[in-house]
Amino acid sequence: KNEVEQSPQNLTAQEGEFITINCSYSVGISALHWLQQHPGGGIVSLFMLSSGKKKHGRLIATINIQEKHSSLHITASHPRDSAVYICAVVSGGGADGLTFGKGTHLIIQP
Amino acid sequence: KAGVTQTPRYLIKTRGQQVTLSCSPISGHRSVSWYQQTPGQGLQFLFEYFSETQRNKGNFPGRFSGRQFSNSRSEMNVSTLELGDSALYLCASSYSPGTSGGYNEQFFGPGTRLTVL
Repeated sequence: KNEVEQSPQNLTAQEGEFITINCSYSVGISALHWLQQHPGGGIVSLFMLSSGKKKHGRLIATINIQEKHSSLHITASHPRDSAVYICAVVSGGGADGLTFGKGTHLIIQP
Repeated sequence: KAGVTQTPRYLIKTRGQQVTLSCSPISGHRSVSWYQQTPGQGLQFLFEYFSETQRNKGNFPGRFSGRQFSNSRSEMNVSTLELGDSALYLCASSYSPGTSGGYNEQFFGPGTRLTVL
C-alpha cells in the first residue's frame, strides 16, 4: 500500500509570497494528481503528471520519479488561493483507486 | 460538457437508517469511483465501477455497496448507518478505468455531505 506524506500540514503566508507544498510517496506510481478543495467540499484537479513539470497560470507542479517526490508551487500567491491542496497518487494503473495525502491547509492573508 | 453531478448535495439521517447517493458521470465517461472524506481519515477509496461491474473495493465494511447502470450512472448505498458514516462522499468519473498500461484522469463531483444523527 502506498503511503503518501504531505508537508506542511498548515501554511499561512502573505499575499504575493511564493508557496511550495511537498508530497512524498513510498511506492512507484503511474501518475500523481494535485487537487484543490475549497470550503464547501468540491474538489478540482489542478494537475495530473507522471514525469517532469507542468505549468498552468501561477501554478507549477513538478515530479521526481526516482526520488518519489512531487512539489506544487504557487507564484504571486493571492487570497483566492486559500484552500486545501491534496496530493493523490495512482498505483498499478489505478486499479486500487487513488491514495491521498492528508492535505495542506493554505491561507493567504491580504 | 457538463461535469460530474451528485445528488443530493446534503442529507441528514439517523442511526440505523439506510441511504442511497447518486452520481452522474461526465458524458462519455464509463468509469465511476467513490470516495469518503472524513476529518479523521481524510479521503479514502470506496469502490470503482465500470460497465456495471465493481472492479475494486477499498477497505470498508459490507454495509457500503454500490451499483452502476447501463448509462454509467452510479449509486452507492450505506445500510444501518452509524455516527461514523458522517462524511463527504465524492464520486469521480473517468473515460475508462486504469490498467497497468496507463491511467485515465479522474474528474470529481461536488460531493454529498451526509450527517448521521
